[in-house]
Amino acid sequence: GAGVSQSPSNKVTEKGKDVELRCDPISGHTALYWYRQRLGQGLEFLIYFQGNSAPDKSGLPSDRFSAERTGESVSTLTIQRTQQEDSAVYLCASSSQVGGGEGYTFGSGTRLTVV
Amino acid sequence: DAKTTQPPSMDCAEGRAANLPCNHSTISGNEYVYWYRQIHSQGPQYIIHGLKNNETNEMASLIITEDRKSSTLILPHATLRDTAVYYCIVRADGYGGSQGNLIFGKGTKLSVKP
Repeated sequence: GAGVSQSPSNKVTEKGKDVELRCDPISGHTALYWYRQRLGQGLEFLIYFQGNSAPDKSGLPSDRFSAERTGESVSTLTIQRTQQEDSAVYLCASSSQVGGGEGYTFGSGTRLTVV
Repeated sequence: DAKTTQPPSMDCAEGRAANLPCNHSTISGNEYVYWYRQIHSQGPQYIIHGLKNNETNEMASLIITEDRKSSTLILPHATLRDTAVYYCIVRADGYGGSQGNLIFGKGTKLSVKP
């Protein structure tokens, strides 16, 4: 596609439920990133995928958070047993490893509200 | 932690140049300076990046001091749509992706006023 697509754009869930957030990166982009942004705060790195390498999970805040990516395509971020502090906008970005220096392209995010 | 220091907020009159400073006194020789901005309720948007030479594109100019310890992003003719939070980031890989993630600080909230 022309840009990074995230779905759903908004998600309201009850505390304790599991949620899945989806990211479709730009076709051909080998790197994919998940960030979290709480209201009025900066971006927090969560996880990074690069091709077939093992993902960098160093930013995941707890074992309730996990993410998968199949090859160089779609990624899913899963939050189990959601808590109110998980409420945030979850942003996905992708980038090309090869030249260009175009930086990262971000999606519009998924706004998660845990009630 | 972010390796950069930016003022928390700035104002600029519409049509005037907006000059956003960034200090990165601990920058390493192989680290690039990247600028992104985030307009309210949107994902961050790449603006420009550079290593040591000044850079210009259709959005902005980037001026990096000779010692590389600071830089300035210049929006030559600011419009109301340029109101956003501007992030200055340093990282080692100029091509994006292969060296890990970008670390975002708090940025500068630029308000362009009519």
